[in-house]
Amino acid sequence: AQSVTQLDSHVSVSEGTPVLLRCNYSSSYSPSLFWYVQHPNKGLQLLLKYTSAATLVKGINGFEAEFKKSETSFHLTKPSAHMSDAAEYFCVVRIPSGNTPLVFGKGTRLSVIA
Amino acid sequence: GAGVSQSPSNKVTEKGKDVELRCDPISGHTALYWYRQRLGQGLEFLIYFQGNSAPDKSGLPSDRFSAERTGESVSTLTIQRTQQEDSAVYLCASSLEAGRETQYFGPGTRLLVL
Repeated sequence: AQSVTQLDSHVSVSEGTPVLLRCNYSSSYSPSLFWYVQHPNKGLQLLLKYTSAATLVKGINGFEAEFKKSETSFHLTKPSAHMSDAAEYFCVVRIPSGNTPLVFGKGTRLSVIA
Repeated sequence: GAGVSQSPSNKVTEKGKDVELRCDPISGHTALYWYRQRLGQGLEFLIYFQGNSAPDKSGLPSDRFSAERTGESVSTLTIQRTQQEDSAVYLCASSLEAGRETQYFGPGTRLLVL
């Protein structure tokens, strides 16, 4: 079985400072990993995904994440936070065979302070 | 349409009533998923359909929950004899075909059971 742990339920940063949202996963197989973002009253949007190619994955809006197998981590980073980044972020794991459902972490709420 | 659509966007019902939630996937997507998101939580997988195969119902929390899908088009999620703990946002997602990683989410139906 696979699972995801998001280590922080809430992260608060100042505008212009770096963002780090932490995620650790557990999977019996080589997983696919995703980060989704959910803005208030909006649908889920895919930020980026890792599917066994390059371990450093670049996504939309300046976000990136690095797959570290030795640490079973897939932390999300951004060099400089913007006010519009304030949202809920979900780390997601999936076994990349068949069409199995996504397994979501509980989410990290990112606040950006002016 | 351009994306996954869901209706209604909001539903308020009384305990004990039945509700039907609708999902229109992206045209041509053979896989369709239902998830539930309780307040402050990540998404819980409920059920998924892949083409004409038997659906994977492993995530349905009780026999009050059921879902149908007509071919590769619309799906309805039915909750019978609703309970207050059923209050949540119900999200639908679709993906192109088996093995394709990216799931596209609809905006969700916010269900409130009084």
